[in-house]
Amino acid sequence: GAGVSQTPSNKVTEKGKYVELRCDPISGHTALYWYRQSLGQGPEFLIYFQGTGAADDSGLPNDRFFAVRPEGSVSTLKIQRTERGDSAVYLCASSLRSSGRRGEQFFGPGTRLTVL
Amino acid sequence: AQTVTQSQPEMSVQEAETVTLSCTYDTSESDYYLFWYKQPPSRQMILVIRQEAYKQQNATENRFSVNFQKAAKSFSLKISDSQLGDAAMYFCAYRTQGGSEKLVFGKGTKLTVNP
Repeated sequence: GAGVSQTPSNKVTEKGKYVELRCDPISGHTALYWYRQSLGQGPEFLIYFQGTGAADDSGLPNDRFFAVRPEGSVSTLKIQRTERGDSAVYLCASSLRSSGRRGEQFFGPGTRLTVL
Repeated sequence: AQTVTQSQPEMSVQEAETVTLSCTYDTSESDYYLFWYKQPPSRQMILVIRQEAYKQQNATENRFSVNFQKAAKSFSLKISDSQLGDAAMYFCAYRTQGGSEKLVFGKGTKLTVNP
């Protein structure tokens, strides 16, 4: 079966613009995570969905960041008024359920966002 | 809050030799999972090995094994018979039980394998 996919692979935008990053999780995975990986750092948690609802958004850095998962499958991370500091790789991961061994997170290849 | 520390920004090893990557973490929880992920230049995070904190036995996966010292909060990765394909960034990660079960990552160790 297909793994987690993310589009676009790379996104270049100008400061102040709006961007949307898409994540297609593994079919049937109810849990979906977004992480941000800045240059030279490990991934940092942004938001977690269980089904359609954002169960934990404590990692979103400010109100310019928002994410949705309206049908409990595909998720979109939205960034308003982008800033140069938003430049990073945005990783998406999904898991079968948030519990025990079956909670293993499978990652997508990420979207590299560059804000000029 | 949990923290994960990888004190070795870079490591190198000769092909066929053994290398150990270090990781320490801080938590007040008693039940959790620890992971080592590999990230090649393609950016795809690949799970290498997992350890459940309540299990005293160290996890092994083929050439990869861990040395889990719960009291010391240490979780090192040993790669035996290193291969050129092992070259990548390696991240240690902590996952809590319950709640979001988000992963907390260290800053990573870049492993170079020399032929």
